[in-house]
Amino acid sequence: KQEVTQIPAALSVPEGENLVLNCSFTDSAIYNLQWFRQDPGKGLTSLLLIQSSQREQTSGRLNASLDKSSGRSTLYIAASQPGDSATYLCAPGVSGNTGKLIFGQGTTLQVKP
Amino acid sequence: DAGVIQSPRHEVTEMGQEVTLRCKPISGHNSLFWYRQTMMRGLELLIYFNNNVPIDDSGMPEDRFSAKMPNASFSTLKIQPSEPRDSAVYFCASSLNPLAGGRETQYFGPGTRLLVL
Repeated sequence: KQEVTQIPAALSVPEGENLVLNCSFTDSAIYNLQWFRQDPGKGLTSLLLIQSSQREQTSGRLNASLDKSSGRSTLYIAASQPGDSATYLCAPGVSGNTGKLIFGQGTTLQVKP
Repeated sequence: DAGVIQSPRHEVTEMGQEVTLRCKPISGHNSLFWYRQTMMRGLELLIYFNNNVPIDDSGMPEDRFSAKMPNASFSTLKIQPSEPRDSAVYFCASSLNPLAGGRETQYFGPGTRLLVL
């Protein structure tokens, strides 16, 4: 059974810092991996999707890497801003072309002005 | 596109009552997912459909929960009878996979906050 761990659970940083959020998963036979953002009281917004054959994906100030063999992914946020404050969730996709995602508990980020 | 639409946004009911949650996926998407989020258990997949057919319902907690997708633009999640432990936020998500299953990015609705007293 796939288990997903995200470290740290919470993070508070001053504006402008570069951040790394970590995600580890126990079953390396994944189809892809997605990073989501969730604002308080809202639904999830997809940030990046990495296929299992890829090593990284970039979107603006966000960069996600994937090391499938070691069961790890990182989300790098450059030059953090107060608007980045949210919970970030990692979700590896179960192998077999099912679309099924297993979510971690998330990292809650607060960026202080 | 309006995105994934869920209704109601909030629901308060008494234990034993029937609850029906509704979801309209993004037009053209062929996979639909129902999730439940609680502080204790995080985000859990309950069931998902591909081309209106239920593919995996292993996450449905018990027989009190049922889900249907009568057509490509509508799905329901029903709880009967409801219990206080069903209190959670229920999300619907949809995605597009031209081949089969839901490979592509999942788009989430705003959720339904359910409180069972």
